[in-house]
Amino acid sequence: DAKTTQPTSMDCAEGRAANLPCNHSTISGNEYVYWYRQIHSQGPQYIIHGLKNNETNEMASLIITEDRKSSTLILPHATLRDTAVYYCIVRVEGSGYALNFGKGTSLLVTP
Amino acid sequence: SAVISQKPSRDICQRGTSLTIQCQVDSQVTMMFWYRQQPGQSLTLIATANQGSEATYESGFVIDKFPISRPNLTFSTLTVSNMSPEDSSIYLCSVEGYRGSETQYFGPGTRLLVL
Repeated sequence: DAKTTQPTSMDCAEGRAANLPCNHSTISGNEYVYWYRQIHSQGPQYIIHGLKNNETNEMASLIITEDRKSSTLILPHATLRDTAVYYCIVRVEGSGYALNFGKGTSLLVTP
Repeated sequence: SAVISQKPSRDICQRGTSLTIQCQVDSQVTMMFWYRQQPGQSLTLIATANQGSEATYESGFVIDKFPISRPNLTFSTLTVSNMSPEDSSIYLCSVEGYRGSETQYFGPGTRLLVL
């Protein structure tokens, strides 16, 4: 699986949009971009994933650049409960292989 | 998403003892995995639990230390054997293939402290 690079930490004011970037310049054509988050040592929570088109669900939006070398996870209206470590992971969908977790981005949402 | 439970949720154990962690999912899945998260670190894969056959272990993890069972498509156990303080971690199971989904879902984790 391709390697990802994320900032170590970010801050965001409550109510504002949180934009979390991820670089995956070596991504292959059949690899998806997945986002998970881990709140205070709970089990990681699936957020969203995509291949090349932008995706949106009830939790977040995923914007993938046209060359697929980077992506941005957007939490449109961050709340204090969104404080967590966010992991960007690249893998072939349904490959049956485990997820390769990097260090992720620690997002702090402040009042 | 998948409803996954782990038992126990946390435990404090003495060195030299063993602990078995259970992972139960509410519907059949194709894949089950076990991860370890040491304090302040990211998740590391221990092994893939294979139904009806021996688990597949990652480099640095061995069956004698972390025996795994998967007797059916909804249940797996991980045993941490002959524990030392270095085994203090969060142990997480994950599943793939839940109701046809190719997304992996995680259990809540088991917090283990070894004294």
